Amino acid sequence: KNQVEQSPQSLIILEGKNCTLQCNYTVSPFSNLRWYKQDTGRGPVSLTIMTFSENTKSNGRYTATLDADTKQSSLHITASQLSDSASYICVVSGSEGSQGNLIFGKGTKLSVKP
Amino acid sequence: DAGVTQSPTHLIKTRGQQVTLRCSPKSGHDTVSWYQQALGQGPQFIFQYYEEEERQRGNFPDRFSGHQFPNYSSELNVNALLLGDSALYLCASSSAAQTYTDTQYFGPGTRLTVL
Repeated sequence: KNQVEQSPQSLIILEGKNCTLQCNYTVSPFSNLRWYKQDTGRGPVSLTIMTFSENTKSNGRYTATLDADTKQSSLHITASQLSDSASYICVVSGSEGSQGNLIFGKGTKLSVKP
Repeated sequence: DAGVTQSPTHLIKTRGQQVTLRCSPKSGHDTVSWYQQALGQGPQFIFQYYEEEERQRGNFPDRFSGHQFPNYSSELNVNALLLGDSALYLCASSSAAQTYTDTQYFGPGTRLTVL
């Protein structure tokens, strides 16, 4: 069964600290993996997208890694800010060019405290 | 350049009623996907429209139907509403011409509450 599991479910950190969110997937075949940031009650916003051949991609203070062999990905946030408080969703595309076959994780809820 | 827009932002209905949600894709996009997101859960794929036809469908009953217009905008219709249909409904647009590195752009969502 195609699944995307994220950990931890929730996380509280102090402003300025770094954190790493995890994503494990069992989706096959694999096309690409995306990380989205979703503020409460809003639509998700794309942070990164990585294909099979990419193992790291950065977007400002966000750095995503991908290990296609172990089917694991991580999202590292550096020098966290209060505005980073949101849910971070890992999404795996299960077929090449198939935009509908997106498997969503349940997300990690990050709270950044002053 | 307008992003993905959805209307209305909030909606309250009672059980058994019907509802229509609307979505306008980002400029240059021709594909629209609809998702249902229950509180505390990740989005669940409902269906995707391209060239005015339903191209793919998730595991949702026939009470959920949709339409895409020639200008690529789309509607999601839900009949015989149930309490469990209460959720945030997200619309996402993308370009069929971009496959390997495409990114779906999400709208702000419509919050549907069924009483």
